[in-house]
Formats: sequence, structure tokens, C-alpha cells
Amino acid sequence: GQQLNQSPQSMFIQEGEDVSMNCTSSSIFNTWLWYKQDPGEGPVLLIALYKAGELTSNGRLTAQFGITRKDSFLNISASIPSDVGIYFCAGNEETSYDKVIFGPGTSLSVIP
Amino acid sequence: DVKVTQSSRYLVKRTGEKVFLECVQDMDHENMFWYRQDPGLGLRLIYFSYDVKMKEKGDIPEGYSVSREKKERFSLILESASTNQTSMYLCASRLQRGGWTYEQYFGPGTRLTVT
Repeated sequence: GQQLNQSPQSMFIQEGEDVSMNCTSSSIFNTWLWYKQDPGEGPVLLIALYKAGELTSNGRLTAQFGITRKDSFLNISASIPSDVGIYFCAGNEETSYDKVIFGPGTSLSVIP
Repeated sequence: DVKVTQSSRYLVKRTGEKVFLECVQDMDHENMFWYRQDPGLGLRLIYFSYDVKMKEKGDIPEGYSVSREKKERFSLILESASTNQTSMYLCASRLQRGGWTYEQYFGPGTRLTVT
């Protein structure tokens, strides 16, 4: 079945640096979602995107719905220690709006 | 704010026991979901429900059943718990309107250990 690719798989960055991660699919999506998950907790929704080209911010986070509708990007500016966690992309394929497809996650570590 | 709550954060059960995991959402969402999350395997869909009394099998329904008698509540049942059902269980809910589905919101998770 459809799978999402997320890159990088893991990141180690210094506090204050900017972070970029992306998510790609082999098919067209009509929704892209970005979640953050802390250890032992459920994923928390960060940003939801519904239109190709859409650029949405949530504080220091910015996400974009790729114009090809097959990718999405998440940027975190001026990282802080509490940004540590696993970031998941997810989305709905154009042909199957019921099922949400999840990426494998990007693990982010921030070195103070 | 959407709130999805799960009945227990941690649960320890014995092999063969019947286990109930409860999930409640307070935003009148039509769709609800149960996932399990295991290291290296990501999030896997067990069951989902479009609306009250409706249910659909996900990718790994074997060994599980569900119940949705009220719109706000979605229960996951392990008929006879086994050690390979030790996992983190996540409930989610989602608004569906006019043929369009929106973002999923997750609960805090239940860490189930079967001994």
C-alpha cells in the first residue's frame, strides 16, 4: 500500500539552529498533516494543510503543501530544547479520503 | 480545543483476560480510530468508525473488536489478551463534513502490557 517517506530519519542540532524536514508520497494527497510526539504521549497536531502551495505557520513552525501535491515540508526556526521529539507527517490520498497515511517519523534531538 | 481522552494511561493485564480500552471525544466528531504503535512499525490502524454503530476493519483487526454505541465514545476490546498485544494504543477522532475529512486529533495513549 501507499507509504510516505520522511527525511531525514533523525537529526541532531544545536539549540538555536533552524530545522527542515520533508515528506514525500508516490501519489497525490489532498491533505497534509504534521504531528509531534513526545515519549510516552500521543501525537499532537501541529499544522494542517488543505491546498496545494499553502504555507501555514504556527509560532516558530512553518509547513507547506507542495505544489505537486506529492510532498510537504516542515521548518522549525530557532530550535529550543523542548522541540525534541518525533515529528510525523500524515495525509489523505486524493483517491481515498477515509484512510490517513502516516510517515515513519523524523527524530529530532536538540543539543543545548 | 478538541479533547480526546483515554480511560487509562497504563494497564497491565494477564494473558487470556478480556480487556476494554475506552476513548471519549468532546467535539462531536463523526469519525473515530484505534491505532497501535510499536517501535519500528509505526502507527497501524486497527479499526475505525465513520459514525455511531458503524465500524470498519483497519490493517490489523485480528484479535480485536470495537463498539461505538454513542457518538462520543469508541471502545476497543481485546477478547483474550495475548503477549503480542503489548503495545501503545492510540485513539483519534476526526470531523467529517460534506464529503470532506479534516485533521485527526489523538488521545494521550494507553500503554498496555500483557504478561
